[in-house]
Amino acid sequence: DTAVSQTPKYLVTQMGNDKSIKCEQNLGHDTMYWYKQDSKKFLKIMFSYNNKELIINETVPNRFSPKSPDKAHLNLHINSLELGDSAVYFCASSPWTSGSGEQYFGPGTRLTVT
Amino acid sequence: AQSVTQLGSHVSVSEGALVLLRCNYSSSVPPYLFWYVQYPNQGLQLLLKYTSAATLVKGINGFEAEFKKSETSFHLTKPSAHMSDAAEYFCAVSDGFDSGYALNFGKGTSLLVTP
Repeated sequence: DTAVSQTPKYLVTQMGNDKSIKCEQNLGHDTMYWYKQDSKKFLKIMFSYNNKELIINETVPNRFSPKSPDKAHLNLHINSLELGDSAVYFCASSPWTSGSGEQYFGPGTRLTVT
Repeated sequence: AQSVTQLGSHVSVSEGALVLLRCNYSSSVPPYLFWYVQYPNQGLQLLLKYTSAATLVKGINGFEAEFKKSETSFHLTKPSAHMSDAAEYFCAVSDGFDSGYALNFGKGTSLLVTP
């Protein structure tokens, strides 16, 4: 009965590889997000996705791409992984309520690029 | 863009003492503000949120925060710290329609509770 789930929890891979992280929410929310938490624990938005409209943070490299097969899923694909991509990635979801809605976070995926 | 600043990256209190974690916001419009807690190796859990209904907001685990427009602050307090409160605390502000209402987070405050 987990609200927001992510797989895998840990991901270790080599530079240059392509990987995906999956996210699913069972809350019926309209909007999903991907955040990146760096080694200093700073959290930064990467993508917002609502009703098939994608809003991209301009600082995110185009090697990162979100894909949403349906309203309950927002997967993150990363091409040509770099050392600097090592971080914890969090998926979140919320109702579309003009910003006042709580965001529910997944448990995170710790990505390590070697 | 809306932003928040958390003063103090580390705060240490004794068990039973008052917890005060500081957050100031910068916003051109009335903000939606949140406090989240992150326990080690876990995701973020909402403690409380301000959405203009009341300036004093009560949250889970005995935490509360007061929205003060004159001071542009939204400090988090708890009267008596427990060992289980040791965690990372994040203040956040909703960034508005253009970002899809993404959250902009402060840099976090690590709370240490000593016996």
